[in-house]
Formats: sequence, structure tokens, C-alpha cells
Amino acid sequence: DAGITQSPRYKITETGRQVTLMCHQTWSHSYMFWYRQDLGHGLRLIYYSAAADITDKGEVPDGYVVSRSKTENFPLTLESATRSQTSVYFCASSDAGFSKNIQYFGAGTRLSVL
Amino acid sequence: AQSVAQPEDQVNVAEGNPLTVKCTYSVSGNPYLFWYVQYPNRGLQFLLKYITGDNLVKGSYGFEAEFNKSQTSFHLKKPSALVSDSALYFCAVPYFGNEKLTFGTGTRLTIIP
Repeated sequence: DAGITQSPRYKITETGRQVTLMCHQTWSHSYMFWYRQDLGHGLRLIYYSAAADITDKGEVPDGYVVSRSKTENFPLTLESATRSQTSVYFCASSDAGFSKNIQYFGAGTRLSVL
Repeated sequence: AQSVAQPEDQVNVAEGNPLTVKCTYSVSGNPYLFWYVQYPNRGLQFLLKYITGDNLVKGSYGFEAEFNKSQTSFHLKKPSALVSDSALYFCAVPYFGNEKLTFGTGTRLTIIP
């Protein structure tokens, strides 16, 4: 039961570099989400997706790009990393219907931008 | 806009004592409310939810939450705290009827042996 996996778990990069964080879920959930977690801010939604090829902005989308060509994958790309994007990133998924809003989270990716 | 607030950044409780983690909400219409827990170096895990009906909701790991409409609160409770309950706790509310959640800023619960 793999569930939802994120890779890499830890990443160090330099300002200006492109970075892609991967997210894969094995449940065929319709919805997928990317959050960033920063001290004092809790979790903030970056992007989300309702289905393959359907994505939309969340609260803090600037500087990030997502795609969802397959239901199970939802990569997050930082096109030109900045120090302010140093954070812990979480991917989550949820099903539709009665159990919507019960989100299942990956273990996170800790990203440091130097 | 739908929102939740967690007034305490940190709560310390002695092992065996009852614990309460506070959450207040501001929503339009009937509230759906959630609690999630985050253990160190892990993602968030669903604990419980309130949709309608009984004001006392039971969840995982012996936790329960009390919905109070007059005080617009949804406090998380447990009768007897365990050291293993030490974690970061988030309450959450959905955006208007859809699948996105807005999370509170979190409360760090520390159970002291």
C-alpha cells in the first residue's frame, strides 16, 4: 500500500535554478494539492488539481508551475528558485464524494534555496 | 471567506491530564470542520470531522472534538494525554463547498511525562 509518495525528501539548490518536486499517488484520487509549510503561516495552498489536465491556483502560486498529465502524478516546478521558496512542501490527495476534504498527505520535501 | 483560528501556538499538558486544543471558526452557512495532526517529519493525518448532527465528534487515537455553534468553536479534546500525543495540530475548514481546505496556523501540543 504505497499511498502517496513525494520525492526527493530533501533538496538543496541555488537561487535561479529550476527544481521539480514529484508527487505520486496510488489511489486514483481525483483531487491533488500542493502546500507549503512555513513557521507562523501553517499550510498554504500553492496549486490544486481536480482531475488530469485540470489545475488551478491556490493562495500562493507565484513562482510555481504544475502539470497533471496523468491522474496519479502531480509534479511541482519552481522555474527559477528564490530564497523565499525555502520551505517544506507537501503533496496531498483526496477522493470525491462523501469523503471529500479528507486529504491524505505525503511525507514532504524539505527544500533549501541557497 | 471561510476561516479558522487557533489562538494558542503552544500547549503543554502533563501526561494523564485532560487536554484541549482550541479552534474557532468563521464560516457562511453550516460549517464543515476538520482536525488534522502532524507528527515530526511526517505529513498531516486526518483525525476527525464535523459535518452535522451530534456536537461531540469522536476520532482517531481517542481524540474527540466539541462543536459549539454559539461560541463558534471546535475544540479538540482528549480525557487523558499520552506522551505520544505530542505533535502539531491543525484545524481546517473547506472553501465554499469545494475540495480545498483552509488550515489554521497550528498548535504545538507537548505532553510532559
